[in-house]
Order: sequence, then structure tokens, then C-alpha cells
Amino acid sequence: KQEVTQIPAALSVPEGENLVLNCSFTDSAIYNLQWFRQDPGKGLTSLLLIQSSQREQTSGRLNASLDKSSGRSTLYIAASQPGDSATYLCAVRSGGYNKLIFGAGTRLAVHP
Amino acid sequence: EAGVAQSPRYKIIEKRQSVAFWCNPISGHATLYWYQQILGQGPKLLIQFQNNGVVDDSQLPKDRFSAERLKGVDSTLKIQPAKLEDSAVYLCASSFRGLAGGEDTQYFGPGTRLTVL
Repeated sequence: KQEVTQIPAALSVPEGENLVLNCSFTDSAIYNLQWFRQDPGKGLTSLLLIQSSQREQTSGRLNASLDKSSGRSTLYIAASQPGDSATYLCAVRSGGYNKLIFGAGTRLAVHP
Repeated sequence: EAGVAQSPRYKIIEKRQSVAFWCNPISGHATLYWYQQILGQGPKLLIQFQNNGVVDDSQLPKDRFSAERLKGVDSTLKIQPAKLEDSAVYLCASSFRGLAGGEDTQYFGPGTRLTVL
């Protein structure tokens, strides 16, 4: 059974810091891994998707890496801003029919 | 392009009452998903529809939860009777194809926050 774990559960940092959020999964047989952002009272927004054959993906200040063999992914946020404050969720797609298995998320607070 | 719509946004009920949630997916999306997100946890898939048919309901508590997707478009999720532990955010998502083995982005609605007292 696939399980996804995210560390840390919460993080509070001053503006401008570079951050690393961690995600681990127990079964390396995945199709892809996604990082989502969730703002209070809102749905999930997809940030980055890494296919199982890829090592990393970048979008602006965000960079996500994937090491499928060790069951790990990291989300790197450069030069954090208060607007980055949100919960970041990692999800792996494994099994059939596009099923996503989510971690519990990392709640990030960036203060001015 | 309009996003996934859900209603109501908030609902408060007493335990043992019934409640229903509605979802309208993005036009043209064949696949619709209902997730339950308990406070402090990640979303958990309850049921997945491919057009009118159910392809995965393995984590749906079928003694109290039911869902339908009429005409392959809108969907309703019902809980009857509700328990305290059903307090959660119920998220609806849709994707274009939902086929196994292919990339298929899921788009999420804003969710319905249910509180059971």
C-alpha cells in the first residue's frame, strides 16, 4: 500500500529565505509525482508535475526533484515571500485510473 | 475556461442528519473525483467516475455515503446519516480522460467544509 509522508509538518521562516520541503513515498512504482499548493478555503492548485522518468522540474522560483529509487522528492522554494504562505501537498500517482495518493502537507508561513 | 464548481461552500449539521454536496466539473471532462480532507491530513479519494460509471470506490464508506453522476456531468455526494468523524472538507476534481498510464491533470474545486455537531 502506497503511503506518502511530508516533513516538516509546519515551517515558519522570515522573508527571503530559501526553503526545502520534503516528501517520501513507500512504493517506487509511480507514474508521476505532483506538488500542490492549498490556500485556506480554496481548492488545490498544481505547482509542478514530475514524470517518473524525470529528475526535476522548475517553474519560476520553484524547483522539484524526484529520486524514484529512494522514494523521495524535494520542493525547493527560492527567495521566499509572504505570498508563498500556504499548505504544500505532495501526491504520487500510482495504480490505475489516475489515482493520487496525498501526503498530509507542510504548512508554510513566511513572515515579513 | 470555468473551473470546477461546488456547492454549498459550508454546511453545519447535527449528527444523524443527512447532507448532500453538488459538483459541476469542467466542461468536457470525462472523469470526476470526490475527495475527503480531514483537518491536518491530505485529501483521500472517496470515489472516481469515468463518465457515468464508477471506476474506484474502494474507500467510500458505503453504509452511509453514496454518490451519483447523472448524464456524465454533474455529481452529488450524499451522507446519511452523518457522524462526527465526517467533519471534513469535501473536494471535487475533474480531469479530461482519467485513463491509466497517461498524464491527466486533475483540477480541483474550492471544496465544501462540513461540520457535524
